[in-house]
Amino acid sequence: NAGVTQTPKFRVLKTGQSMTLLCAQDMNHEYMYWYRQDPGMGLRLIHYSVGEGTTAKGEVPDGYNVSRLKKQNFLLGLESAAPSQTSVYFCASSLSATGAVNTEAFFGQGTRLTVV
Amino acid sequence: GDSVTQMEGPVTLSEEAFLTINCTYTATGYPSLFWYVQYPGEGLQLLLKATKADDKGSNKGFEATYRKETTSFHLEKGSVQVSDSAVYFCALSESKLIFGTGTRLQVFP
Repeated sequence: NAGVTQTPKFRVLKTGQSMTLLCAQDMNHEYMYWYRQDPGMGLRLIHYSVGEGTTAKGEVPDGYNVSRLKKQNFLLGLESAAPSQTSVYFCASSLSATGAVNTEAFFGQGTRLTVV
Repeated sequence: GDSVTQMEGPVTLSEEAFLTINCTYTATGYPSLFWYVQYPGEGLQLLLKATKADDKGSNKGFEATYRKETTSFHLEKGSVQVSDSAVYFCALSESKLIFGTGTRLQVFP
């Protein structure tokens, strides 16, 4: 009963390094999301996907890239990390975005990233 | 674009007090509305939802009514407990799921 799994859970990067965060869901959900959570800023949407092979920009996409090659996985990449990207990153998935059913989003436990 | 505005916290209450956390939204169409809760060190989990005007979502004693005329979805609970201490997020979903800034609730015995 895994739900949404994020790896890694913690990471420290040096400025300029690259890394990929992996999000995996086993619920056959169409929609997947990446958010960052910063104090006083709530959850801000970075990128999202409405199905396998699709991606779209959210509110704060600069400095990040994503890919959804397989339906169950949604990868978030940082090509050249900056201290401003220090944050807690959450992945979420849902079956749908609208309608009366199946709009509940399920969240991973988060990845705490520090860029020094 | 779509947006969610919720009251800033922290909200500090004594046990058994009445809770209201205000939330208003801006959307172009007819979004679904949600309240999510985040306990310390955890991800978010759905508390309640409403998918059309005048719907009332409820769960664990919490309630919120979808008010299209005032574009609001205020969260209420008649008697809070210490275990309700958490961060509460209002959210809307139309073409994508977006959140407000969150409101921290602290309940003291």
